[in-house]
Order: sequence, then structure tokens, then C-alpha cells
Amino acid sequence: AAGVIQSPRHLIKEKRETATLKCYPIPRHDTVYWYQQGPGQDPQFLISFYEKMQSDKGSIPDRFSAQQFSDYHSELNMSSLELGDSALYFCASSCRQGDPKNIQYFGAGTRLSVL
Amino acid sequence: ILNVEQSPQSLHVQEGDSTNFTCSFPSSNFYALHWYRWETAKSPEALFVMTLNGDEKKKGRISATLNTKEGYSYLYIKGSQPEDSATYLCAFRADSWGKLQFGAGTQVVVTP
Repeated sequence: AAGVIQSPRHLIKEKRETATLKCYPIPRHDTVYWYQQGPGQDPQFLISFYEKMQSDKGSIPDRFSAQQFSDYHSELNMSSLELGDSALYFCASSCRQGDPKNIQYFGAGTRLSVL
Repeated sequence: ILNVEQSPQSLHVQEGDSTNFTCSFPSSNFYALHWYRWETAKSPEALFVMTLNGDEKKKGRISATLNTKEGYSYLYIKGSQPEDSATYLCAFRADSWGKLQFGAGTQVVVTP
């Protein structure tokens, strides 16, 4: 069965550079979530999209932006990268967003290292 | 409790033994509680979504219970096997928008 695909799996950037992370949800899933897991930390919710519109926003820095495209894939754009942005970035997808029983399926994550 | 807390942080289990661990979450604004199994470099694998007080879920040798009134969930592994070695994450959902609030996980190591 198709899973959530994230690319790239690993990314190395220098401070002040930009990075774009991509997420391809499971076919027919209409909702995408982004989470950030810093070293030794719990995954933290960044932002989510439902039917190509932003549906919820967490602790996402102003330097970050994201969108969901017409094919439902999503991109997280990160500018003016800082050392503290080094983390594992997870994307998850689901359908039936409002259903309490819906499952969020996760990708394997993109590990971003900022040098 | 405002955060999601999991205990213990790590657990070493002999093959064949059974074990359990806890997830504590806010007892107000409960919408759902998720359990994931996560092996390094892989996608977290969804185990259970629990929504009702008193829910019990089972998948093979793994089962979970839910108490929303007091804000805790237990995950049980019966007859642990080396392939059960992973980090088990619980995640609390407070609303219909879906964002999950994660605990730090319980790392389980099963030794032959």
C-alpha cells in the first residue's frame, strides 16, 4: 500500500540558506500535517492543511511557510535557516479530518541539518 | 496535566516477558488518543486510535486501555519478542482540526 512520501530524506544547509521540504500524502487523503522534532524533544505540530487551505497553525516560525497544492502534495519552505532549525521534520496525512477516529499516517521524515 | 507524559522513558524486557507502560494526558478537551510504534529511520506506525472512556484495543500481542476521566492510557505487550523493540509514542488530540500533541515516547528494548 502507498505510504506518505517525504523528500528529501536528508538535507544539509548552511545558516541563512533556504530549504524546501516536500510531502506526498497517501492517495485520496485530503489533509496534511507538519511536525518538527528537535534533538531530544517531542514532535511539535507546525501547521496543517485541509483541501488546500490552511486549517490549523502551531508554533511555526514566521520564517517558515507552507502550502498544499492542487494534487494535495505539500511543501514546507524554510528561509534564513538557523542552527536551531536542525530537526527531523515529519509529514502526516489523513482523510475525514473531523472524525475523532481518523488515523494520521506518517512519512519517515526529513532530517535537516543546519551548519 | 497540561502536557503528554510517558513513563518510563525506557524499558528493557527479556524475550517472552510481558510489559506495560503509561501515557498521561490532559483530562479536559479530550478528542482522541493515538498510539504509534516507531523504529528509527522508519515511519511511525499507527497502532491504535482510542476515543471513548473505557476503550480497549488489541492488535496481536499489543493492547491498550483508555481512561479519559483520569487522563491515562496503558499499552501492554504480551510475550515480548525482539521485533517489538521500538519507541512507542502516544499522542493526544484535543479538537476536530487534528493536530497531535506527542509524549516523549517509551523506548522498549527486548533482549533474547
